[in-house]
Amino acid sequence: DGGITQSPKYLFRKEGQNVTLSCEQNLNHDAMYWYRQDPGQGLRLIYYSQIVNDFQKGDIAEGYSVSREKKESFPLTVTSAQKNPTAFYLCASSRPGTSGETQYFGPGTRLLVL
Amino acid sequence: GENVEQHPSTLSVQEGDSAVIKCTYSDSASNYFPWYKQELGKGPQLIIDIRSNVGEKKDQRIAVTLNKTAKHFSLHITETQPEDSAVYFCAASGGWAAGNKLTFGGGTRVLVKP
Repeated sequence: DGGITQSPKYLFRKEGQNVTLSCEQNLNHDAMYWYRQDPGQGLRLIYYSQIVNDFQKGDIAEGYSVSREKKESFPLTVTSAQKNPTAFYLCASSRPGTSGETQYFGPGTRLLVL
Repeated sequence: GENVEQHPSTLSVQEGDSAVIKCTYSDSASNYFPWYKQELGKGPQLIIDIRSNVGEKKDQRIAVTLNKTAKHFSLHITETQPEDSAVYFCAASGGWAAGNKLTFGGGTRVLVKP
C-alpha cells in the first residue's frame, strides 16, 4: 500500500513538554509539508521540505521544529514555546515538478493539552 | 504573501441540486488551484485541480472554473448526493519554484439534505 502515515492519531501534551509527531511516506515523493488546522478553519503551513536535509519555515513556524534526514520521514516537534498547540496536524507530500504539484495528505494527528 | 478567501462558509442543498463554492486569490503569480474534500476527523482528499493554462476542467459531477484576470475560481457539484456532505477547501499555489506551498481558503461546510 502506498501512502502517508501519521502517528499517533491522538497525542496529549503536558505543560512545558516537547512532543514529536511522526510522518512517513512511501510514495517516493521529494517534498513534504506540515500544516496546522484549528476547528472550523483552513490549513496553515508550518514547515516544508523540498529535498532531504533542507527545510523552510512556513507561515506559522514559531514554536515548532522539524528535521528531514530521510526522504521518507519528516517529523514535527511541538516545543514548549508553542503556547497554543491544541490543533489537528496534517502532513502532506508531493513529487517535484515545474508547476504546482498535487499534495497528498495523511490522516492527521490530533494534539491536546492536558 | 498569498491570501485566499472562500465563500460561502456553509451551504445547505437539497439532494439532486447543484452546489457552487467560490474562491478568490490575491497573488497573480499563483498557477495551481486544487480543491480538497475533508470528512470529519480525516485528512483532506484531492477531488479536482486546475492549472492556470486551463479555464475549465470537469470530472463526472464535479467541475472547476478559473478566471485568471479576475483572480477567482469556483467548484461546481451537480446532482448532489448525501455522500457529498463534507467540508471543502480551495487552495492556491505559486508552483514548485515558490516551494509548492498551498494557501488554503477557510473552508465551506456542505450539507446535502435527502
